[in-house]
Amino acid sequence: QSALTQPPSASGSPGQSVTISCSGTSSDVGGYNYVSWYQQYPGKAPKLMIYEVTKRPSGVPDRFSGSKSGNTASLTVSGLQAEDEADYYCSSYAGRNMGVFGTGTKVTVL
Amino acid sequence: EVQLVESGGGLVQPGGSLRLSCAASGFTFRTYWMHWVRQAPGQGPVWVSRIKNDGDITSYADSVKGRFTISRDNAKNTLYLQMNSLRAEDTAVYFCAREGPTLTFHFDLWGRGTLVTVSS
Repeated sequence: QSALTQPPSASGSPGQSVTISCSGTSSDVGGYNYVSWYQQYPGKAPKLMIYEVTKRPSGVPDRFSGSKSGNTASLTVSGLQAEDEADYYCSSYAGRNMGVFGTGTKVTVL
Repeated sequence: EVQLVESGGGLVQPGGSLRLSCAASGFTFRTYWMHWVRQAPGQGPVWVSRIKNDGDITSYADSVKGRFTISRDNAKNTLYLQMNSLRAEDTAVYFCAREGPTLTFHFDLWGRGTLVTVSS
């Protein structure tokens, strides 16, 4: 169960877009449409932002969108706002009733 | 209010045991699959364990298999994690999390976490 690979950091100015990648294998990201994304502020619990690759829970702004191609999933935050500055983690079902998280990306709003 | 509240964390010596609890409220606990996820200081979350809504099916990360046991009491709306043979690398904040109703391994509700520190 190796962690999914994310870039350590990403940044953008207010109003711009930032895209975070999440690289896995055919046994996790590539094998199932069960990728989810979480936003986490320091000292707080993660919050679900995207599930089943592209779906947004109620209350999550439509500035957040997800996609997947092969073994790599992506989260795009459009129209960056100051409150989007946080850590973001991807997660995927990995078969055999097990899951795996990504290494995390710190998003900075310049 | 829909919430999960963990308890039971603390300082324990290597080789020791600890039982975590997660009290659920505001939703029909018995209908949801539940998970434990941990996060070491400065690190990302790591999935630990999963249990079916009726407790019949459980699964574990390889790193805790044989040492940790997940269970639940639906009459008490409570999830548990029994942790034995604890190691320094088990030090982390432990979150309980609810799996979404579509059963696609996403976590739509999280507790605030309880800190477990394994140290002599």
